[in-house]
Amino acid sequence: AQTVTQSQPEMSVQEAETVTLSCTYDTSESDYYLFWYKQPPSRQMILVIRQEAYKQQNATENRFSVNFQKAAKSFSLKISDSQLGDAAMYFCAYSDSGTYKYIFGTGTRLKVLA
Amino acid sequence: EADIYQTPRYLVIGTGKKITLECSQTMGHDKMYWYQQDPGMELHLIHYSYGVNSTEKGDLSSESTVSRIRTEHFPLTLESARPSHTSQYLCASNPGLPKETQYFGPGTRLLVL
Repeated sequence: AQTVTQSQPEMSVQEAETVTLSCTYDTSESDYYLFWYKQPPSRQMILVIRQEAYKQQNATENRFSVNFQKAAKSFSLKISDSQLGDAAMYFCAYSDSGTYKYIFGTGTRLKVLA
Repeated sequence: EADIYQTPRYLVIGTGKKITLECSQTMGHDKMYWYQQDPGMELHLIHYSYGVNSTEKGDLSSESTVSRIRTEHFPLTLESARPSHTSQYLCASNPGLPKETQYFGPGTRLLVL
């Protein structure tokens, strides 16, 4: 069965600095998607970034980028130039291509210090 | 901005009452999901649907039931609310391939006294 593991329950970063959130997963599938979602306090969960497993190039979205290591089954999120608005719970997620299965990690709470 | 709505946003209700949490999306997505989440904690899948007249139980056992009579509507019902049902309930929809992205509603915070 597929699993997603986030080993950092909480992280802190100074404003304007860079932080990396870790995620590892396990699957026997070759075609799948990986995601990072952000859930600000009392606000809606939104997609931060997605990565198709068949793509070797790491996804980037403005200040957010991933380090996708398929062989190691690792999918970390790097946030550059951290802002106060980045403070949130971040969930790593896995999805089998074309099925209902969508697995979330336990989340990492990110605190941004002014 | 995702067009997925949940009502009510907050609900305080007494034990034994029947409640229905509403979820609607206007994006025409076939896949829809219900998750239970205690504040700041992980998400637990309780129900999902592939489309109209398709509903399945998720990984977390739940006393709730769901229905999917229309593509856009995926309500969750608790026949008899109990304090153990106190939690946040998140609805999500997914367009399937090629994006496979979950679009979440704002959630319903339920408190059962």
